[in-house]
Amino acid sequence: GIQVEQSPPDLILQEGANSTLRCNFSDSVNNLQWFHQNPWGQLINLFYIPSGTKQNGRLSATTVATERYSLLYISSSQTTDSGVYFCAARFTGTASKLTFGTGTRLQVTL
Amino acid sequence: DVKVTQSSRYLVKRTGEKVFLECVQDMDHENMFWYRQDPGLGLRLIYFSYDVKMKEKGDIPEGYSVSREKKERFSLILESASTNQTSMYLCASSFEDRVRGYTFGSGTRLTVV
Repeated sequence: GIQVEQSPPDLILQEGANSTLRCNFSDSVNNLQWFHQNPWGQLINLFYIPSGTKQNGRLSATTVATERYSLLYISSSQTTDSGVYFCAARFTGTASKLTFGTGTRLQVTL
Repeated sequence: DVKVTQSSRYLVKRTGEKVFLECVQDMDHENMFWYRQDPGLGLRLIYFSYDVKMKEKGDIPEGYSVSREKKERFSLILESASTNQTSMYLCASSFEDRVRGYTFGSGTRLTVV
């Protein structure tokens, strides 16, 4: 079946370090989004990126649709970056619903 | 900004009770969704609705039903709550043709005892 897989499942960084989170998806997609869930549970949309590269401050994302993966880059990490990062995909032919990965839990320490 | 409001942040119910979780959005979105979030499993879709009185089963609909009588309100119903329905429940909404506008509520943590 259709799947979204994220790696690594857990990541601990020291403040100021850089990191790359990966999302693999099992079939062609027409929508790929990255979300951040803060420690209070609120999910915030970071990027809508079905293909190509986007940047927003210290965060950037790249999706290579033909190879079925997306990457989220976090540079100069801060403690406020802590939380869970989810990748979600809308697979071609599956109406408007998003399928979520299991997330990467990031902890940034001082 | 789009707001998606869930009626309760924390809820404790007894096994066998009928439970209603309410979600309201204020931006005239066509689509509304209910997910549950469990450790190690990510977010799993329970039901979604693309119009008033329309509903579609998601990946894990068993034990749940939904109601959408008005465009802005989408209710999740646990007909007879069980302990395995203890979870975080998240509501989301989006425009029909712009799923990029996916916006979540702050969640309801339900405990069934």
